[in-house]
Amino acid sequence: DQQVKQNSPSLSVQEGRISILNCDYTNSMFDYFLWYKKYPAEGPTFLISISSIKDKNEDGRFTVFLNKSAKHLSLHIVPSQPGDSAVYFCAARDDKIIFGKGTRLHILP
Amino acid sequence: EAGVVQSPRYKIIEKKQPVAFWCNPISGHNTLYWYRQNLGQGPELLIRYENEEAVDDSQLPKDRFSAERLKGVDSTLKIQPAELGDSAVYLCASSLRSDWSYNEQFFGPGTRLTVL
Repeated sequence: DQQVKQNSPSLSVQEGRISILNCDYTNSMFDYFLWYKKYPAEGPTFLISISSIKDKNEDGRFTVFLNKSAKHLSLHIVPSQPGDSAVYFCAARDDKIIFGKGTRLHILP
Repeated sequence: EAGVVQSPRYKIIEKKQPVAFWCNPISGHNTLYWYRQNLGQGPELLIRYENEEAVDDSQLPKDRFSAERLKGVDSTLKIQPAELGDSAVYLCASSLRSDWSYNEQFFGPGTRLTVL
């Protein structure tokens, strides 16, 4: 049973617009949430994280929102750039990090 | 600063053969992780080391998988014998330590294993 779910396998967004990637989780014991970005033939790289005691964390063009009551988090990228095309993994932590299946983001010119 | 190094990058073997993967973490990182990523899935933790001690190997299939980190630096993951279902990307990651304030993990490029 998946504890971290990314229900959209792929997403296409026009360059310059906002990209919103969604993630749902089932385990209320998760205390920390992370987003990783992965290019082909490379390992995932850490992007941004948020503690369960916060509802928003911002880093440049990237903002993560956490809605604990809905067990939902989202990653906003604005404005989207061609280099943002990658697979994005949502992850959550209790005693280890559990990853979702990923969402492939395509930024269209 | 060098990142996490893994070798080989690609490996093709026939089923029932043994295979080994090597990982050298970022210098000074005490915590080392091995993950397996199946096609279309996210990485799944196999084993976590704190220095030379395996502190979480609950997800490691111990009948055929083994790992070691003898001097608390580089690590080897072995599969013997390999099965068709072992085809996946094997990722190594390291972090400064597993204390939650320093949990950012740095991943290597992975080894893509194909079992025929």
